[in-house]
Amino acid sequence: EPEVTQTPSHQVTQMGQEVILRCVPISNHLYFYWYRQILGQKVEFLVSFYNNEISEKSEIFDDQFSVERPDGSNFTLKIRSTKLEDSAMYFCASSDPPPGQGFAETQYFGPGTRLLVL
Amino acid sequence: AQRVTQPEKLLSVFKGAPVELKCNYSYSGSPELFWYVQYSRQRLQLLLRHISRESIKGFTADLNKGETSFHLKKPFAQEEDSAMYYCALSGCDYKLSFGAGTTVTVRA
Repeated sequence: EPEVTQTPSHQVTQMGQEVILRCVPISNHLYFYWYRQILGQKVEFLVSFYNNEISEKSEIFDDQFSVERPDGSNFTLKIRSTKLEDSAMYFCASSDPPPGQGFAETQYFGPGTRLLVL
Repeated sequence: AQRVTQPEKLLSVFKGAPVELKCNYSYSGSPELFWYVQYSRQRLQLLLRHISRESIKGFTADLNKGETSFHLKKPFAQEEDSAMYYCALSGCDYKLSFGAGTTVTVRA
């Protein structure tokens, strides 16, 4: 069964450094998402992406964050200048087909990347 | 605004006992409700969604619009049900809003 994959599984970085988190969504999916979960807190929506542009973003997704689909398979989240409070588990998800059918499609999640900012 | 509340952080039950995880939501439109489960060291995975009205692994959940609830139930808990359970809501923008999660421990 196809799965969403994410790399790396763990990332340690220094405050102020740029990080890129990578995701390979399920191949025929068209909607992509990033969520994060700070330790001990709930899973929070960051951004959704469809047709090569951002569909929706949360207040958390400020100018430090960007997303990109550089090729036909990868979907990346970049944090330009990391802060201590960016330490969290970051989940990628994808869904199929695009919404607009009157109900939300199931989102399939990757295993997550644990980011630690020192 | 959309919000999901799971009042219980921890739930411990004996094997064979019934288990109920509470979920209440706040949303002005017609939401889609989901239960996701995360077993130890595994990814978040869909357990069930209200629109499909299925019973998965013996779990059921009924959407009660009057009480704005989507409680998850299983009549006889098994040890393999020990996991973290998240209730989630999707509105017209299709993003998922999650509850804080409930950790279920099923004891032998």
